[in-house]
Amino acid sequence: GNSVTQMEGPVTLSEEAFLTINCTYTATGYPSLFWYVQYPGEGLQLLLKATKADDKGSNKGFEATYRKETTSFHLEKGSVQVSDSAVYFCALTSTGGGNKLTFGTGTQLKVEL
Amino acid sequence: DVKVTQSSRYLVKRTGEKVFLECVQDMDHENMFWYRQDPGLGLRLIYFSYDVKMKEKGDIPEGYSVSREKKERFSLILESASTNQTSMYLCASRRQGETGELFFGEGSRLTVL
Repeated sequence: GNSVTQMEGPVTLSEEAFLTINCTYTATGYPSLFWYVQYPGEGLQLLLKATKADDKGSNKGFEATYRKETTSFHLEKGSVQVSDSAVYFCALTSTGGGNKLTFGTGTQLKVEL
Repeated sequence: DVKVTQSSRYLVKRTGEKVFLECVQDMDHENMFWYRQDPGLGLRLIYFSYDVKMKEKGDIPEGYSVSREKKERFSLILESASTNQTSMYLCASRRQGETGELFFGEGSRLTVL
């Protein structure tokens, strides 16, 4: 079946530091990959996505590249801000999984001044 | 502005009570979902519905049922609440055929005493 593994949190960074949150996956079929973000007190919202190998998704300064050879979709940002503090979820969907989204366990990011 | 609205942000119920969690979306989406979110476990799919009066079990349906009588409304029912159902419940919707982007509500935090 499908599964997503994320690095454990919390990740604590100083403002303007470089961010990487690791995500690896196993999937049947041809998965599409996503990063969702959950700000405090809110529901999840889509941050970025990539639908095929070597695609790069980007939004709000965040990027992630779909690496089929390493089955990874790591989230990166060059310079984080306090307002980026949130929980980040990696997710995938595939035809082999009935097009349902499978989520990772989430990684909490705390950015301090 | 597109919106998924969950009727209650916080509920406290007693063991054995029947609990209804309501979700309404205004985007004319065909697909709707109920997840529960627990620390260290991420999001787990309880039930989903591809269209009106259609429902399918997700990964953890035991102890839950759902109702989808109208396209915009998807209700989650706990027939007899138990303490292990204390959790954050998230509703989401999606347009049929769009595999990735789910639109989430803000969540309903249920405490069962």
